[in-house]
Amino acid sequence: DQQVKQNSPSLSVQEGRISILNCDYTNSMFDYFLWYKKYPAEGPTFLISISSIKDKNEDGRFTVFLNKSAKHLSLHIVPSQPGDSAVYFCAARVTGNQFYFGTGTSLTVIP
Amino acid sequence: GAGVSQTPSNKVTEKGKYVELRCDPISGHTALYWYRQSLGQGPEFLIYFQGTGAADDSGLPNDRFFAVRPEGSVSTLKIQRTERGDSAVYLCASGGSSYNEQFFGPGTRLTVL
Repeated sequence: DQQVKQNSPSLSVQEGRISILNCDYTNSMFDYFLWYKKYPAEGPTFLISISSIKDKNEDGRFTVFLNKSAKHLSLHIVPSQPGDSAVYFCAARVTGNQFYFGTGTSLTVIP
Repeated sequence: GAGVSQTPSNKVTEKGKYVELRCDPISGHTALYWYRQSLGQGPEFLIYFQGTGAADDSGLPNDRFFAVRPEGSVSTLKIQRTERGDSAVYLCASGGSSYNEQFFGPGTRLTVL
């Protein structure tokens, strides 16, 4: 039972353009959402997060948007850079520190 | 400073054997998590330690899986009677007081033949 879903396994974007990665969830008890970035042969690295009481959080080129009514969040990267090419995982937390991850979206930024 | 380390990086074993996977967290981190990542999937929660105790082991798939953290630092994930379906990358993460602070290790790739 996949509680966090990333329906796009891959995305290609031109350098300098906006990358939009999407994530849907089913559990209304999630209180925190996170995005992780993963390079091959490395563990995921924390990127940005958002509390369920917010609808937007911005950190430099990265912005996460949360739409609770739609149970949807998205990560915007602008401008996209070749070094952003990686697999991006959406994750959600329930109280008690149990985290659920999506299946990931592989982003390729084309120079 | 050193990040989270996991050993071995790769482990190949035969069906039915016992394996131990080790995680060395970042010094001072009280929280430690184990995840399993199968091909094409995201990390799947297995167990969470706060200090020496398992605060949540609800993700362990069955009683063949067990994890310990006897001194609140290094943790070992133990898998008995391995099955081919156990083949995956096993990720460890440690964290401090903030739920954001999950620092992942590079993982151990387990292959059960």
